[in-house]
Amino acid sequence: LAKTTQPISMDSYEGQEVNITCSHNNIATNDYITWYQQFPSQGPRFIIQGYKTKVTNEVASLFIPADRKSSTLSLPRVSLSDTAVYYCLVGGFTGGGNKLTFGTGTQLKVEL
Amino acid sequence: GAVVSQHPSRVICKSGTSVKIECRSLDFQATTMFWYRQFPKQSLMLMATSNEGSKATYEQGVEKDKFLINHASLTLSTLTVTSAHPEDSSFYICSASAGVSNQPQHFGDGTRLSIL
Repeated sequence: LAKTTQPISMDSYEGQEVNITCSHNNIATNDYITWYQQFPSQGPRFIIQGYKTKVTNEVASLFIPADRKSSTLSLPRVSLSDTAVYYCLVGGFTGGGNKLTFGTGTQLKVEL
Repeated sequence: GAVVSQHPSRVICKSGTSVKIECRSLDFQATTMFWYRQFPKQSLMLMATSNEGSKATYEQGVEKDKFLINHASLTLSTLTVTSAHPEDSSFYICSASAGVSNQPQHFGDGTRLSIL
């Protein structure tokens, strides 16, 4: 399983763009990159998933360079409600399902 | 879409009691379900992987006789904590996957288990 490394914490202010970078040097060919958001006492919530280049949805963008050894989650114009832990995970279908290993995550704190 | 329901959300019970937690995929068929455990201010730790109709695969250090997992259908998996003790108190979270590489896992909202 690919190990991921991301900053332990980040601080931002409302209205700013936040970029969280994750490194995954030993990502495998069939691995996808997935980001989740978790609030206290709740299960992780899916944000975005990608394989290469750029993916964008209604809440975030995911940038993946050609070598796929890192990825950057971009949250446009954050608000106080975006304060949460963000997890970067890599994994792929192994026949037994998409087994994922959670790293430490990034605690994002958004202030006024 | 992709809703996973976990029940109950909170359990408080006496030491020695067995507790069952249900995880249901409401709008998709989950060929694989996962069970995680999370302690305060820590990351999620994978306990076991269960595939429909077969025995669960447990991670190293997780007692299979302590944490019984059943995945009898494509929409339901259960975790039973047998003879629970205070050290089993934790936040248990399930997730479900359709088993296709480009489909992400979707998580339930967790069960807070407190053993007195």
